[in-house]
Amino acid sequence: DIQMTQSPSSVSASVGDRVTITCRASQGITWLAWYQQKPGKAPKLLIYAASTLQSGVPSRVSGRGSGTDFSLTINSLQPEDFATYYCQQSYSIPYTFGPGTKLEI
Amino acid sequence: EVQLVESGGGLVQPGGSLRLSCAASGFSFRTYWMHWVRQVPGKAPVWVSHINTDGSTTDYADSVKGRFTVSRDNAKSTLYLHMNSLGDDDTAVYYCAREGISGFDLGYWGQGTLVVVSA
Repeated sequence: DIQMTQSPSSVSASVGDRVTITCRASQGITWLAWYQQKPGKAPKLLIYAASTLQSGVPSRVSGRGSGTDFSLTINSLQPEDFATYYCQQSYSIPYTFGPGTKLEI
Repeated sequence: EVQLVESGGGLVQPGGSLRLSCAASGFSFRTYWMHWVRQVPGKAPVWVSHINTDGSTTDYADSVKGRFTVSRDNAKSTLYLHMNSLGDDDTAVYYCAREGISGFDLGYWGQGTLVVVSA
């Protein structure tokens, strides 16, 4: 199975800050997605194919990377951005998620 | 609007069985791969299974292989997860999800249904 790691596991930031979360795969992958999850809610797709923004996601969110190293950046943090973020590979079965990064105020 | 509504969760004894359903609306159900993902509260999601458009191809996580069966009824726009030989570590919120535009991501999720395995 492809193992996904994320760093940091948690980060504190303020409204208006920029935050970058990194995700690393245990082997090279070509399909990576990022999800946002708020307490009691289902995960929400933010980015697919490493860097393509899902419809409706604000442009302050961006993703980049290839191979084994990927990142999610959120510029100008807004109150609604404080949540937990997961990366997920769909390059091979079983699809696997990273352990998550909790973005806290 | 894409809607996915799970049902069928609840309390079940160890060794028991349960069938989850996911009613889909707002899109052409028969043209999308569908997935089940589970999540223990406070932990990362775990992919469980997926099924192709006509039900002829399925895959499972090793942890559920041989115990869970995914199926679909395209005429009813409904996805199912038949779960047998349930154990404590199957306790989780179970989500159904639809593939996204890329075909390789989980673009839409239901609200989840809680399964608790306990004596």
